[in-house]
Amino acid sequence: DTEVTQTPKHLVMGMTNKKSLKCEQHMGHRAMYWYKQKAKKPPELMFVYSYEKLSINESVPSRFSPECPNSSLLNLHLHALQPEDSALYLCASSQAVSSEAFFGQGTRLTVV
Amino acid sequence: TQLLEQSPQFLSIQEGENLTVYCNSSSVFSSLQWYRQEPGEGPVLLVTVVTGGEVKKLKRLTFQFGDARKDSSLHITAAQPGDTGLYLCAGLMEYGNKLVFGAGTILRVKS
Repeated sequence: DTEVTQTPKHLVMGMTNKKSLKCEQHMGHRAMYWYKQKAKKPPELMFVYSYEKLSINESVPSRFSPECPNSSLLNLHLHALQPEDSALYLCASSQAVSSEAFFGQGTRLTVV
Repeated sequence: TQLLEQSPQFLSIQEGENLTVYCNSSSVFSSLQWYRQEPGEGPVLLVTVVTGGEVKKLKRLTFQFGDARKDSSLHITAAQPGDTGLYLCAGLMEYGNKLVFGAGTILRVKS
């Protein structure tokens, strides 16, 4: 099983809303990631969690807040987003930060 | 400057033609992954190459890792419309802890 599950698949939110993206994996992977992807561009790394601790924050604005409640779950809390934050948000996991990554299906986020 | 240069950016070919996508860098990678992504979906891992000079085959797809582990190529034989998508190479730096992506190659195979 190489499945990373993301919910919801689509999300439309207003600039004053608070919402959360969820990601789950049951492969026993100890590294989890959030990426942002614009159309026809490669994914851009946002955050890396290793053993449930935040190890990399790629200078992401504070309106994006990650959370890793346990080794299988990764959340991304969203608050006061801007229209330019509209993108495909991808979660990924790997056995360790030095291993190949498996991606979820993504959440298509539209900020209105 | 892109750490991992991927080319070509766009490729539109007829069904049955062959093609090669390249990823090049001046840096050494401990491993390199190739992904294929369809619109609105997440990238799907095709292959991981680890050893310099390694060649891996996946049906009509052949992946090669350079001897010095600085470059890689993806060759598709007899392309089919189902091969259409965004192809991404991504490398793990030798002393790093995150994936470096190439810019991607948008492939369109016309029937």
